[in-house]
Amino acid sequence: GENVEQHPSTLSVQEGDSAVIKCTYSDSASNYFPWYKQELGKGPQLIIDIRSNVGEKKDQRIAVTLNKTAKHFSLHITETQPEDSAVYFCASISSGSARQLTFGSGTQLTVLP
Amino acid sequence: DGGITQSPKYLFRKEGQNVTLSCEQNLNHDAMYWYRQDPGQGLRLIYYSQIVNDFQKGDIAEGYSVSREKKESFPLTVTSAQKNPTAFYLCASSEFRDQPQHFGDGTRLSIL
Repeated sequence: GENVEQHPSTLSVQEGDSAVIKCTYSDSASNYFPWYKQELGKGPQLIIDIRSNVGEKKDQRIAVTLNKTAKHFSLHITETQPEDSAVYFCASISSGSARQLTFGSGTQLTVLP
Repeated sequence: DGGITQSPKYLFRKEGQNVTLSCEQNLNHDAMYWYRQDPGQGLRLIYYSQIVNDFQKGDIAEGYSVSREKKESFPLTVTSAQKNPTAFYLCASSEFRDQPQHFGDGTRLSIL
């Protein structure tokens, strides 16, 4: 089945700096890649997603890039703010009959004021 | 407001007991999912349902059961056969399979 690896597991940045989180996936047929933000005690919130027919998608300070050849995708947050501090998860939809989401292990992002 | 409601927020189980976690959505979504989250780990799929009266096992279905009698409801029962039930349980829904999944705020289950 699909395997998603996420790095780094923890990331600290100064307010205003950029943050980058990277994920690799194993199933070359995967075609949907969402990113979720999870605050303490809450459920994950979808913040951006990308399908395999595009290489980049941007929404204000958040962008996602996809490299299908290398089977990796990344989340970029610019001009970070303290409220960006949370756990971020990448995921991919695997091929086959299940078509289920497989999640990375998460990145704890801390934005230091 | 449309969304997913999970209840209760905290639940305690005694040894040998079955407990049922509630998940209700008013988004008119066809697909619903249950995930388990352990500390420092990603989410693992327990069960999913693409349509009323149909559901499929995920990666870690042993010790769990579900039903889908109504489109808006997808309760999860943690049975006594689940030997390590302490975890954070998350319910999600999507318009249909392959569409973005939206999550509730979870139920934290602990063993007394």
